[in-house]
Amino acid sequence: DSGVTQTPKHLITATGQRVTLRCSPRSGDLSVYWYQQSLDQGLQFLIHYYNGEERAKGNILERFSAQQFPDLHSELNLSSLELGDSALYFCASSVDDLSPLHFGNGTRLTVT
Amino acid sequence: AQSVTQPDIHITVSEGASLELRCNYSYGATPYLFWYVQSPGQGLQLLLKYFSGDTLVQGIKGFEAEFKRSQSSFNLRKPSVHWSDAAEYFCAVGAGSGYALNFGKGTSLLVTP
Repeated sequence: DSGVTQTPKHLITATGQRVTLRCSPRSGDLSVYWYQQSLDQGLQFLIHYYNGEERAKGNILERFSAQQFPDLHSELNLSSLELGDSALYFCASSVDDLSPLHFGNGTRLTVT
Repeated sequence: AQSVTQPDIHITVSEGASLELRCNYSYGATPYLFWYVQSPGQGLQLLLKYFSGDTLVQGIKGFEAEFKRSQSSFNLRKPSVHWSDAAEYFCAVGAGSGYALNFGKGTSLLVTP
């Protein structure tokens, strides 16, 4: 158990809808990262937050947004969903910029 | 930008045999290198990491990796594979600050009796 909690584990929704994925980092970890894992693209970095502030953006679509709250949990919002957004979305956390990432078990999103 | 290539999509080894998974990176400076393992339905677990210093790095579960700057490689090895090692293995490179990792496509390991 990595200590990173992601909810829900599975999500099935229709095209055009909006969903919110939630991540609770390990106790004491200030950094939260979001990754998308799909068969064709592999693991893609989406966005990084540190202590509530956005630190870096990767291949994140404009339809996607994220935030980290004062209690350090994070949410990834996906809107106007398309079939191609179906993927595993992972959250990872670390204590600081020099510490390894600890991954949650992911949220599997299926867009129908 | 830094990138990682894992040339082998699938590898099959017999239980008890040795294992080497290949990873090549592209990065101008000394990279931060990692190996992660992903079991079905699970998140990624860190096996080992290289930041600097000794180029032979020991990790968990009996794994080790060697950083070779001249070959831009960071291959993962294990002397004797167990059936429980069957999983997807990912090599990743990071540039430091912000620690956003670039992952390879992964190598799927199958262990036969």
